[in-house]
Order: sequence, then C-alpha cells, then structure tokens
Amino acid sequence: AQSVSQHNHHVILSEAASLELGCNYSYGGTVNLFWYVQYPGQHLQLLLKYFSGDPLVKGIKGFEAEFIKSKFSFNLRKPSVQWSDTAEYFCAVILSGSARQLTFGSGTQLTVLP
Amino acid sequence: EAEVAQSPRYKITEKSQAVAFWCDPISGHATLYWYRQILGQGPELLVQFQDESVVDDSQLPKDRFSAERLKGVDSTLKIQPAELGDSAMYLCASSLGLDSSYEEQYFGPGTRLTVT
Repeated sequence: AQSVSQHNHHVILSEAASLELGCNYSYGGTVNLFWYVQYPGQHLQLLLKYFSGDPLVKGIKGFEAEFIKSKFSFNLRKPSVQWSDTAEYFCAVILSGSARQLTFGSGTQLTVLP
Repeated sequence: EAEVAQSPRYKITEKSQAVAFWCDPISGHATLYWYRQILGQGPELLVQFQDESVVDDSQLPKDRFSAERLKGVDSTLKIQPAELGDSAMYLCASSLGLDSSYEEQYFGPGTRLTVT
C-alpha cells in the first residue's frame, strides 16, 4: 500500500537554528505533495504544496520544500526557526486518480526553545 | 474568514454507547471529508462526500460507523456501539469540489472522542 513516512517524531531546536524535516513516500506514479501544519490549539492548515514545475516550492512563514523525484522525498526546510514555529507538521500526498484524497504521514512535533 | 464548524469539541462516552459528531463545511463547498486521527498518527480518511453522495467509504468500519450528508450541506458521523479503540480525534474538512485536480481542504477543529 502507498504510504508516507516522516522520519522524526519529535524535533527540538533553539531559535535561529535551521530546520529540515524529512518526508518520503512510496508510490511510483504521479503525486501531488503537501505539508500541513497544526499550531497548538489551532486547525490543520496548508503550509505549502507541489504539483509540478519547479521542484523547490515556497510556502507561508518562510518555509520551503524540495521535491526530489529520484529519492521519493519532499523535505521541509526553514533557514531560521522561531519560537512561533512550534507545531506539529504533517507531510501528505495525493496520488494521481485518487479523487483528491490526502494520505498523511504520522507527523513531526517541532519544539522551538526561546 | 469562513471556517469548518464541528461539534461537540470533546466527547466522553462509555463503551457500547452510541455517539454522533456533526460537521458544517464552509458554505458552497461541495466536497466533505471525515478523517480519524489516532494519537501519534496522521489523519486517515474515513469517508468522502461529493454533495450528498458518498465518493469513497472504503476505510469506514461499516459495522459500527455510519455517515450521512442528506442535503449535501452539513454531515453527521455516528458510531454505534463505541469501542475503546475508537478513542481519537475526528476531523472534518471541506473543499470546493469543482475540479478533479487538487483543491485545498479546509479543516475544522475536530471532535476529541474518549471511550471509557
């Protein structure tokens, strides 16, 4: 079955540190890729998405992600994190022909220490 | 800003009891999704509606779960009887539903279910 893997369950960083969260998917066909974020006490919301074209996509709040097809990866990055980035981050995919259905990874809890 | 509404926000029920969750999507959104999120995991799709029709309920445990969206607007997810393993966050999401390609899904705050 197709799946999405997020390597780190919990990441702890100090403010201004650089961030990279890993995401790999197992599907050989066309995929659309997403990162969602859930801030404490808030709804899941879209951070960024990749459909086609430039494999480096930029999202809100300074986040970016790079699609590397050969590695089946879509890692999330931010050069300098802030305390307000503390949240849970979910990678998700939509498989071609899947009626817009999201398949989520298990999530990574990011804690940024002030 | 329009939001997806869900109620109740929290529900505690005893094993074998019936429980129901309600979702009101963003006005005009034709597609509605119910997800279950077990602690420590990502959301998993239970059922997807397009207007009042079920598009996919292959992951819905139909022996105890049911979902309806009778008028194509709000939706109810029911569990009867509830089991301990049903303890989870139940999320509702909606999207415009106009296109076969991706449309952003907007999530509600969820209903946290605890079965004792």
